[in-house]
Amino acid sequence: EVQLVQSGAEVKKPGESLKISCKGSGFSFTSYWIGWVRQMPGRGLEWMGIIYPGASDTRYSPSFQGQVTISADTSIDTAYLQWTTLMASDSGIYYCTFGSPRPLAWGQGTLVTVSP
Amino acid sequence: QAAVTQEPSLTVSPGGTVTFTCGSSSGGVTTGHFPYWFQQKPGQAPRTLIWDTTNKQSWTPARFSGSLLGGKAVLTLSGALPEDEADYFCLLSFGGTYMFGGGTKLTVL
Repeated sequence: EVQLVQSGAEVKKPGESLKISCKGSGFSFTSYWIGWVRQMPGRGLEWMGIIYPGASDTRYSPSFQGQVTISADTSIDTAYLQWTTLMASDSGIYYCTFGSPRPLAWGQGTLVTVSP
Repeated sequence: QAAVTQEPSLTVSPGGTVTFTCGSSSGGVTTGHFPYWFQQKPGQAPRTLIWDTTNKQSWTPARFSGSLLGGKAVLTLSGALPEDEADYFCLLSFGGTYMFGGGTKLTVL
């Protein structure tokens, strides 16, 4: 069974950095795409980008290019979403997805709150 | 950049049939957009119902089906149940990047 387990909720201040994680199991981590999706409070879904861990091939939505970094560590079957300088507008729920490359399964989500 | 359009809200009676549509501002939706459909209930993560236009996940109830019609991707729910009340999102592919529609809130009433 495919499972994606994400790291816990985070509370940060503007200007801080953050790295959240998504650990995959039940599939070959290097043979599928892991994606990230943002959902701001009370809003819809926004596709941020995807990574193919087997080749470190990474693609970003134009809206998120340069704003976040997607990476993966194949030794521990874990993908990451990283910010160097958080803003209040980065608050939301972030979901990781498993797919080929479009989302077939979803993690439980990580709530990120950025507040002074 | 293209926009993906969905009805903001729909209402269906229990046992009734409802059709969700997913369009593109850049033209007709085709199988080459690989339409996906997702269901999200309050407080839960989304889950994938339909992939590549018509294919169902193992957990997708038989009452849901996907198709193309009139230049749009379509999700049809036949025989709605109260538990189908949720938000429904579509996703289209545009040459290697992807875009969600704004979502449709389904009320079963």
